[in-house]
Amino acid sequence: KNQVEQSPQSLIILEGKNCTLQCNYTVSPFSNLRWYKQDTGRGPVSLTIMTFSENTKSNGRYTATLDADTKQSSLHITASQLSDSASYICVVRRYGGATNKLIFGTGTLLAVQP
Amino acid sequence: DTAVSQTPKYLVTQMGNDKSIKCEQNLGHDTMYWYKQDSKKFLKIMFSYNNKELIINETVPNRFSPKSPDKAHLNLHINSLELGDSAVYFCASSVSSGGLYNEQFFGPGTRLTVL
Repeated sequence: KNQVEQSPQSLIILEGKNCTLQCNYTVSPFSNLRWYKQDTGRGPVSLTIMTFSENTKSNGRYTATLDADTKQSSLHITASQLSDSASYICVVRRYGGATNKLIFGTGTLLAVQP
Repeated sequence: DTAVSQTPKYLVTQMGNDKSIKCEQNLGHDTMYWYKQDSKKFLKIMFSYNNKELIINETVPNRFSPKSPDKAHLNLHINSLELGDSAVYFCASSVSSGGLYNEQFFGPGTRLTVL
């Protein structure tokens, strides 16, 4: 079954600290993996997209890694800011056909405290 | 300038009513989507249209009927609303339906509450 699982479900850290969020997937065949940030009451916004051949990709203080062999990804946030408080969703696109169908994880809710 | 907009932002209605949610994108994209986000924050695709043509139709009850009058608009009509329809509905768009790095841009969501 094509699934995307994330851990932890929620996380509280102090401003300025680093954190790492995890994503495991069973989606096959694999096309690409994305990390989205969803602020409360808003739609998801893309942070990174990685294909099979990409091991790491950065977007400012966000760095995503991908291990396609073990089907794992992580999102590392450096020097966290209060504005990083949001839900972070791992999304995998299943390869096949012309449709851009994405499979979403349930997200990790991050709270950054002063 | 809002890229993907939805109206209304909040919708509270009684069970059995019929309601519509509108979505518009000004990005010039060919493909639009409707997603449902349940109380556990899990996003799941419902429909996708490419240039006004339906290309994804997940197992959604017949009470849900999308309509795309042109490629910039994708509206969602729901008949005979049920309690389980309560959720946040997100519209999204992308340049096309395929492509490896095809990015989807999401609207702000419509929170539907069925009483």
